[in-house]
Amino acid sequence: RKEVEQDPGPFNVPEGATVAFNCTYSNSASQSFFWYRQDCRKEPKLLMSVYSSGNEDGRFTAQLNRASQYISLLIRDSKLSDSATYLCVVRPQTGGFKTIFGAGTRLFVKA
Amino acid sequence: EPEVTQTPSHQVTQMGQEVILRCVPISNHLYFYWYRQILGQKVEFLVSFYNNEISEKSEIFDDQFSVERPDGSNFTLKIRSTKLEDSAMYFCASSGSRGGTGELFFGEGSRLTVL
Repeated sequence: RKEVEQDPGPFNVPEGATVAFNCTYSNSASQSFFWYRQDCRKEPKLLMSVYSSGNEDGRFTAQLNRASQYISLLIRDSKLSDSATYLCVVRPQTGGFKTIFGAGTRLFVKA
Repeated sequence: EPEVTQTPSHQVTQMGQEVILRCVPISNHLYFYWYRQILGQKVEFLVSFYNNEISEKSEIFDDQFSVERPDGSNFTLKIRSTKLEDSAMYFCASSGSRGGTGELFFGEGSRLTVL
């Protein structure tokens, strides 16, 4: 099983749609969870951290289910500018330094 | 807004040559990282650096690679005897806090092309 596994993409959605991305992780002792966004040939940028109680930032909602080792990201009212690759990122407990990236899910939002 | 800066943005080298990629992390950060992303593939952890020493490294980070923080501001990645498969984007990142929710701030990357 891969350390961090994401939905295969790409997702093609119209503007205004709601889209959900899923992610699973293999290390049950993992401590910290993030969603990053990566535009083509650019550096990853933090979209949001994921907290146990779930958290929301505008149109974006992140959920964590530790029992199922599952993380989700929901994007409401998709904008053209949301087109990017969304990376699920997990920090294991061991040393606290290594951060593992999923392969990413590509999102295309069309007018 | 403080940022991580990397140089060069693109380097082309011949197989077997040595390259040094440079990074200036955010000034008050304590933890520094190098990641690699081969075109079309995922971001891969190479190494983390704290308190002037390597704190963790991946299986990719073998004897061909080394890191250094020579002067308290720069953080360098040296790749000796480059191979074709070293062609990738190399990202430097820094963070202020060790674990928990410490966000990684990435530089814009250095694209390495090995011919």
